[in-house]
Amino acid sequence: DIQMTQSPSSLSASVGDRVTITCRASQNIISFLNWYQQKPGKAPNLLIFGASSLQSGVPSRFSGSGSGTDFTLTINSLQPEDFATYYCQQSYSTPPYTFGQGTRLEI
Amino acid sequence: QITLKETGPTLVKPTQTLTLTCSFSGFSLNTPGVGVGWIRQPPGKALEWLGLIYWDDDKRYSPSLKNRLSIIRDTSKNHVVLTMTNMDPVDTATYYCSKWTRIVTPGHSWFDPWGQGTLVTVSS
Repeated sequence: DIQMTQSPSSLSASVGDRVTITCRASQNIISFLNWYQQKPGKAPNLLIFGASSLQSGVPSRFSGSGSGTDFTLTINSLQPEDFATYYCQQSYSTPPYTFGQGTRLEI
Repeated sequence: QITLKETGPTLVKPTQTLTLTCSFSGFSLNTPGVGVGWIRQPPGKALEWLGLIYWDDDKRYSPSLKNRLSIIRDTSKNHVVLTMTNMDPVDTATYYCSKWTRIVTPGHSWFDPWGQGTLVTVSS
């Protein structure tokens, strides 16, 4: 199975900051990488698919980049509603479509 | 509008079988490139992919759970059913179903939207 490793596990930031979360795959997954946001008590919400494509309705301050094994999620100008946990997920080839362990973004 | 909702027992005893139903609307599970996936999340922990049923009734399961899992569909009723046998307290989690979509080129796929989730506790 492909293993996904996120860093950091938690991150403290302030409103208006720019933050970057990293996800590393255990093998080349080309650009088959998705990012989700999860707020406490809620289901995850898709932010980015295909490593860099913004899902409809997601604010443009979110962006994704990377290919191969290393990927990043960047949030520009943090807003209060962005404090949540973020997960990467690989969708390369056939399942299992594994998730990273999550990055908790705190104020 | 696409919606999904998980229903089933909130409490099961160890060794029992869990049966959860995902009721969905706003899309057809007969459409090529569409599926329904199951993902769970133990309290305070990360998401874990469980399995996926495709539009053509093909299925894929987590290798670590494949001997305990079964996913079937009832397309006439827009339901997908997850069955997990021999439940253990470590299976306590919120269980989500989600629409899976794959685009032909370049083949990217994702889970969106998700149901609200249902918390299943395994305890005697």
